[in-house]
Amino acid sequence: AQRVTQPEKLLSVFKGAPVELKCNYSYSGSPELFWYVQYSRQRLQLLLRHISRESIKGFTADLNKGETSFHLKKPFAQEEDSAMYYCALKAGGGNKLTFGTGTQLKVEL
Amino acid sequence: GAVVSQHPSRVICKSGTSVKIECRSLDFQATTMFWYRQFPKQSLMLMATSNEGSKATYEQGVEKDKFLINHASLTLSTLTVTSAHPEDSSFYICSARDSGGDTEAFFGQGTRLTVV
Repeated sequence: AQRVTQPEKLLSVFKGAPVELKCNYSYSGSPELFWYVQYSRQRLQLLLRHISRESIKGFTADLNKGETSFHLKKPFAQEEDSAMYYCALKAGGGNKLTFGTGTQLKVEL
Repeated sequence: GAVVSQHPSRVICKSGTSVKIECRSLDFQATTMFWYRQFPKQSLMLMATSNEGSKATYEQGVEKDKFLINHASLTLSTLTVTSAHPEDSSFYICSARDSGGDTEAFFGQGTRLTVV
């Protein structure tokens, strides 16, 4: 069975500081990893996925199979980054997403 | 991006009654839709996978007779909470994946169900 762990429920940083939201996973096969974001009073939306290797809104995430991690990073936090972030895993060839418990990012001025 | 619409966004019902929640893909077709439940300050838990034209696939521990899922068309799936009880109060979220697209799942805005 797959599992996604986000160890931090809340991460508070100052504007301009670097951000790293941790995500570790447990899955024996070849996973697809995603980061979803939920801004206040809005629906969940895809931020990025590991297969596209792109940077969205300054965020990047690298899949580290050795450490089974997919941490989300941004060099300089902005106030508008404050939101709930969920890491999710899709088993290779499967349909279902398994979500972590989420990390609330709060960017303070 | 693609839009998934859920209705209603908020509903209050009495214990023992049934509540239907709709999930529509507005500008794409979705062979598969997913229903999640989210408790306060917790993650999204997948309840079932809704398949157009066939029976839904329920996750372990989810009562299929209590949470009835119907996916009669490529743009609509419904979740009916039957004989609702206060412990069914929760935030229910659906998502859909474009049948002709890639793996990205689009989410509805969620439905807050309160059973009194």
